[in-house]
Amino acid sequence: AQSVTQPDIHITVSEGASLELRCNYSYGATPYLFWYVQSPGQGLQLLLKYFSGDTLVQGIKGFEAEFKRSQSSFNLRKPSVHWSDAAEYFCAVGDRSNDYKLSFGAGTTVTVRA
Amino acid sequence: DGGITQSPKYLFRKEGQNVTLSCEQNLNHDAMYWYRQDPGQGLRLIYYSQIVNDFQKGDIAEGYSVSREKKESFPLTVTSAQKNPTAFYLCASSIEGGSFVGWNEQFFGPGTRLTVL
Repeated sequence: AQSVTQPDIHITVSEGASLELRCNYSYGATPYLFWYVQSPGQGLQLLLKYFSGDTLVQGIKGFEAEFKRSQSSFNLRKPSVHWSDAAEYFCAVGDRSNDYKLSFGAGTTVTVRA
Repeated sequence: DGGITQSPKYLFRKEGQNVTLSCEQNLNHDAMYWYRQDPGQGLRLIYYSQIVNDFQKGDIAEGYSVSREKKESFPLTVTSAQKNPTAFYLCASSIEGGSFVGWNEQFFGPGTRLTVL
């Protein structure tokens, strides 16, 4: 069965510091990978996606993610966090074996301290 | 402006009642989805529709029903058979369904918070 794991439930980071959110998946083939962000009480916004090609992908709001097939990971990074980055972040995976439906991780809540 | 609207934002239901959550999109997307979000569990797929007059069960369809009579509308009914309906419900859409249901970017609405009293 497919699964998506976000090992960190909650991360606190100082404004201006770097941020890395972890995502691991278990799939047989090359999956399609996404990172979404959700502000409290709101819908989800796509930060970036990976389908193929360059394993380092750039997204909106200064985020990037790196696909590592050997580690089955797709970690999200930002070099310098702003207070507005405080939100919940979801990793999602889709592949052909599941009719391309998306499976979501449980999410990581990011708190930014001044 | 193009987007997805969900109404109402907050909904309260008494036990034993059916309620219907609205989802409308003006993006001209073929595929639409309903997710349920509970704290610490991420999003779980309830139903999805790749085309008008067709829809498929997701991972947690029991106690829910949907219809897709128009391309822009995908209402979700939470029936009295759903034992634990209190949750945040998110509707999403993507450009096309078919074999590309998953990888196309899904655009999300603002959500409806349902509380059972």
